[in-house]
Amino acid sequence: DTGVSQNPRHKITKRGQNVTFRCDPISEHNRLYWYRQTLGQGPEFLTYFQNEAQLEKSRLLSDRFSAERPKGSFSTLEIQRTEQGDSAMYLCASSPTLSGRRSGEQYFGPGTRLTVT
Amino acid sequence: AQSVTQPDIHITVSEGASLELRCNYSYGATPYLFWYVQSPGQGLQLLLKYFSGDTLVQGIKGFEAEFKRSQSSFNLRKPSVHWSDAAEYFCAVGAGGSYIPTFGRGTSLIVHP
Repeated sequence: DTGVSQNPRHKITKRGQNVTFRCDPISEHNRLYWYRQTLGQGPEFLTYFQNEAQLEKSRLLSDRFSAERPKGSFSTLEIQRTEQGDSAMYLCASSPTLSGRRSGEQYFGPGTRLTVT
Repeated sequence: AQSVTQPDIHITVSEGASLELRCNYSYGATPYLFWYVQSPGQGLQLLLKYFSGDTLVQGIKGFEAEFKRSQSSFNLRKPSVHWSDAAEYFCAVGAGGSYIPTFGRGTSLIVHP
């Protein structure tokens, strides 16, 4: 179990540019989640995948945001035409198949901190 | 929709003292409840969870939490705090088949030597 990894760890971009983040979940986990966390707040759910299917999206996920998990393994989150309000920590988490006592147990990556100037 | 309230933004305790972090939730049915800890620059780590059964839940690092349905609470406790416990603590409530948690805004724990 090597944990959830996210790249890059930090990203500084200018307003209007596009950015893409990558998340590699724990290998046997079939569920993958994206969250956004701003200073002084808890994580806010953005979207989640079961295998390659995107099953739910938050209303926070505007049209400028898109997420993919093409082969049911790693996932990418892209933000187009970034705005200063997009500055936040973007967290990825994965969880195993929902069964038994491990249901709902999420493992978080270290996050990607985005700064939009 | 579910929601979580963590009424204390900051809590300061002395090393060795006991700790209780408060969490109140709002949800119409039996909730799934979680406590996570986040150290600076790190992702969140699950401390403990409640799904059903025994209302007193034991977690990692010596933490425990008690689910009280009548008070809609799930407070986190530790009998003796260590300096390494200084971090941000998040309570979360999950519901439905997707188990997507709704997080509180967090409580920052400061530990004095």
